[in-house]
Amino acid sequence: QVQLQESGPGLVKLSQTLSLTCTVSGGSISIGGYYWTWIRQHPGKGLEWIGIMFSSGSTSYNPSLRSRLTISVDTSKNQFSLKLSSVTAADTAVYYCARVGVGYYDSSGSYYYYYGMDVWGQGTTVTVSS
Amino acid sequence: QSALTQPPSASGTPGQRVTISCSGSSSSIGSNTVNWYLQFPGTAPLLLIYSNNQRPSGVPDRFSGSKSGTSASLAISGLQSEDEGDYYCAAWDDSLKGVIFGGGTKLTVL
Repeated sequence: QVQLQESGPGLVKLSQTLSLTCTVSGGSISIGGYYWTWIRQHPGKGLEWIGIMFSSGSTSYNPSLRSRLTISVDTSKNQFSLKLSSVTAADTAVYYCARVGVGYYDSSGSYYYYYGMDVWGQGTTVTVSS
Repeated sequence: QSALTQPPSASGTPGQRVTISCSGSSSSIGSNTVNWYLQFPGTAPLLLIYSNNQRPSGVPDRFSGSKSGTSASLAISGLQSEDEGDYYCAAWDDSLKGVIFGGGTKLTVL
């Protein structure tokens, strides 16, 4: 089955750029019907959506991060990536990549959208330090 | 766009039925389906309910979801100790053009 694995430095210096990669195994990142997303979780807090890459290659970002964020895909490596510039202590978090299931057909053949994160990476802890 | 609203905590005794509410807006829950996630300490969330009331394979039928207007709820019947964890609702938000999460509900089995 499809598995996701985040990779990247666990420690990033203040004001530098945080770069993470999510490697997709067991399936193609180019397969239709799925999007790819990043989520983070600050220590002891809830889940925060970071951004998403649609199957068209376009992206949508959380407005609070938009000015610093780039999400891209490398289909040849079956990977998608996150770059967050000018990091501060507030960017210290566990970062997750996930696959987003877009929709499904029910038994009658009707299609329903749901945008659910059905496969998650294990998460990677990133600490911003001075 | 604000986060979806969930109670911070919920509790119940083994065998009881517990419900967790999730409130949103017209651009989120009012226009899109709701998904629920369960997160155990130190692990990644897992998809528990999708499209308001659908269970992925492997999720017990003790878990059920519903949606009405701009609100949704998750019900857990026959509560078990292994149900303890953090529950998050989420939905696509048309204004945000992205996913919006609830703040999470910590479920304790007494």
